[in-house]
Amino acid sequence: AQSVTQLGSHVSVSEGALVLLRCNYSSSVPPYLFWYVQYPNQGLQLLLKYTTGATLVKGINGFEAEFKKSETSFHLTKPSAHMSDAAEYFCAVSGNNFNKFYFGSGTKLNVKP
Amino acid sequence: NAGVTQTPKFQVLKTGQSMTLQCAQDMNHEYMSWYRQDPGMGLRLIHYSVGAGITDQGEVPNGYNVSRSTTEDFPLRLLSAAPSQTSVYFCASSWSGTGELFFGEGSRLTVL
Repeated sequence: AQSVTQLGSHVSVSEGALVLLRCNYSSSVPPYLFWYVQYPNQGLQLLLKYTTGATLVKGINGFEAEFKKSETSFHLTKPSAHMSDAAEYFCAVSGNNFNKFYFGSGTKLNVKP
Repeated sequence: NAGVTQTPKFQVLKTGQSMTLQCAQDMNHEYMSWYRQDPGMGLRLIHYSVGAGITDQGEVPNGYNVSRSTTEDFPLRLLSAAPSQTSVYFCASSWSGTGELFFGEGSRLTVL
């Protein structure tokens, strides 16, 4: 069975501050992990993914995430928040056939000027 | 390039009515799927398909039917709508084996 837990349904940061969005997963198979972003009234788009190889993954818009197997975590970070980062972020896990994706409940990021 | 196109964008139904949400993609993706998004619950997989003629159930398939007669289209049918099916529905597609889902803009369904 696979599942994803995102701590914090709402996170608020000041512009220029560090962004940290937390994601923990459970998986009975080696997981493939993803972060998606959803802007208002739009579909989701991929920020970054971990499948194999380097555990620190860089994505679009300056975001990165680190896969930590011992902590079953895949937290998303960005060193300096921008107003345009305000959106909802979803962590997801999939098995190695990429047929079923399990999404977390989402974290809404608010960026204050 | 249109990507993933969903229609309609908004729909209001009465309990017991049937309808079909349409999804089409022009990227020649083998994999297509339907999700529903509810507040505080993220996205949950309803049904998916790995190619024409092949479909399978996701987490929440009850009350929904799908078929995949062509690579491009993957319609989602509600045979007898219930208020519990009020949600935002997303269609997503990908090349098999890549894990990158491409999403449509969503269809907001209200069942009264």
